[in-house]
Amino acid sequence: DQQVKQNSPSLSVQEGRISILNCDYTNSMFDYFLWYKKYPAEGPTFLISISSIKDKNEDGRFTVFLNKSAKHLSLHIVPSQPGDSAVYFCAALAQKLVFGQGTRLTINP
Amino acid sequence: DTEVTQTPKHLVMGMTNKKSLKCEQHMGHRAMYWYKQKAKKPPELMFVYSYEKLSINESVPSRFSPECPNSSLLNLHLHALQPEDSALYLCASSLGRGYEKLFFGSGTQLSVL
Repeated sequence: DQQVKQNSPSLSVQEGRISILNCDYTNSMFDYFLWYKKYPAEGPTFLISISSIKDKNEDGRFTVFLNKSAKHLSLHIVPSQPGDSAVYFCAALAQKLVFGQGTRLTINP
Repeated sequence: DTEVTQTPKHLVMGMTNKKSLKCEQHMGHRAMYWYKQKAKKPPELMFVYSYEKLSINESVPSRFSPECPNSSLLNLHLHALQPEDSALYLCASSLGRGYEKLFFGSGTQLSVL
């Protein structure tokens, strides 16, 4: 049972444009959501998070939106840069952290 | 120091070997984790230590044996592994259990022959 789903395995965006990565969850007990970024041969790196009591959190070029009624969150990156090319994991916390399958983002020059 | 250090980076072992993976952090974190990640899959939780005590074991086979000698160190002892155990093994730490921000190491890429 996949409690956290990232339905797009890959996404390709032109440099300078907006990248939008999506994540859906099924467990209403999740109360904290995070995005991690992973480069090859490295561990995941924390990017940004949001508490379930908020609907938006912004940090520089990165904004996370949470729609609790739809059990959906998204990560917006604007403007996208070549260094943003990586695999992005959505994760949700209840008793433990549960990861989505990941979305491979490629930023094209 | 905001690093979680894992050694070795790569490990090849036979099914009869005994080996250990090591993880170290000096951030004063009191929760440490072992995750397993197969190719193109998300990290899967294996074990959680909180204040040096095992608090979560996600029904991991006994051929994997975790150990937390002190608050800075976490080991994973491997014995009689199977080829399907080949994966990237990630260590992580957080301030405490329930603190959502995990710091991950770079992982140990394990191949079981």
